[in-house]
Order: sequence, then structure tokens, then C-alpha cells
Amino acid sequence: EDQVTQSPEALRLQEGESSSLNCSYTVSGLRGLFWYRQDPGKGPEFLFTLYSAGEEKEKERLKATLTKKESFLHITAPKPEDSATYLCAVRTSYDKVIFGPGTSLSVIP
Amino acid sequence: DAGITQSPRHKVTETGTPVTLRCHQTENHRYMYWYRQDPGHGLRLIHYSYGVKDTDKGEVSDGYSVSRSKTEDFLLTLESATSSQTSVYFCAISEIWAGNQPQHFGDGTRLSIL
Repeated sequence: EDQVTQSPEALRLQEGESSSLNCSYTVSGLRGLFWYRQDPGKGPEFLFTLYSAGEEKEKERLKATLTKKESFLHITAPKPEDSATYLCAVRTSYDKVIFGPGTSLSVIP
Repeated sequence: DAGITQSPRHKVTETGTPVTLRCHQTENHRYMYWYRQDPGHGLRLIHYSYGVKDTDKGEVSDGYSVSRSKTEDFLLTLESATSSQTSVYFCAISEIWAGNQPQHFGDGTRLSIL
């Protein structure tokens, strides 16, 4: 069964304390992986798309990487405004899109 | 920001009553989707549409129906609401199928069924 998991479920960081969020997947053929950011009371907002192992994308303090079984979202020197829930979604070879449950990130000043 | 409006934003209703949620887009995108979001679960696809009057089921479609009579509007109906349908519902749009490009999401409807 296709499955996407994210860890940790929740993460608290001090401002400036770098860390990584994990998205692991067991799917029938990966055809793309998406990262989204979701603020409380809002819909998800697109961040990155990754297509193949070894690919990396960067945006401000965020960098997404992809291996054959997982993706990492690295947050460098986070600020309080980076607090949000981060979702990953995987496109399978059957053209389904499966979302992970998300990681709730809190950055404390 | 993509022009997606969901209404109502909040609704409380009773078990057994019909409920309709509306999604309106101003982007003229072909694809529209309804998801539900529950704690511990990822967004789960309920139904989607690939054109006017063209709809299909997602992974959690039981108890839900949809209609799309105009490009810009996609309605989700709970014919007889149950407590298990208490959730936050998101509408999303995309120009081409979601797997080929990211989706743009509305801000959700929080639905409570008592």
C-alpha cells in the first residue's frame, strides 16, 4: 500500500537553531514530490517540487533534498515567521497524489 | 495568490441534515478538487473535477457528492451529514492534473456535525 509518513510530528526550535524535517514514502514508483507550507486557518501553500534522487531546491532559509526513499526539508537559522505545518505529497506511478500528515514547526524567539 | 474562495468558512450542523460547501475560482483552471484534513491524516481526496460536468471519485468519496455546472464553481454535498464527516474541507485547483504540477488551495471550511 502506498504510504507517506512525516517525522517528527511536532518540532520546537529556538530562533537560529537549524534542523531538518523528514518525509518518507513507500509508493509504487515516485514521479514527483511536493513540499507545502500551511499556516493556521489557511490552505497549504506550495514550496518545492522534486523529481529525482539527488535533486535539491532552495528558497530563503529552506532547502529540500530527495533520495530514493525520503525527502528532507532543511531549515537553516529559522525565524519565528517560519512557524507553520509543513506537508509533503508524493505523486505515484499511478498518478495518485498522496499527502503526508505534516510536521508542525514552532520557532521560539 | 490564486483566486479561490470557499464558503462558508465555518459551519455547525446536526447529524442527518444536508450540507453543501462551495468552491469558487477566478483562475479558469480546468481541475478542481475537494479534500478533507483530519488530525493524524494527510489531506485525503474526496472528489475531483476535470471539466464542467466531468467529475470522479477520490479515495474517501463515500457519503459525498459533487457537481460542477460552471468552470468556476465546484460544490461538495453531504446528503445526510454524519459525525464522522466533521473535518476541515479544502478546495484546490490546478491547470493540469495535480501530479504534474502543484495545486493551489483555498483557506478551507471548518465543518462540525453534532
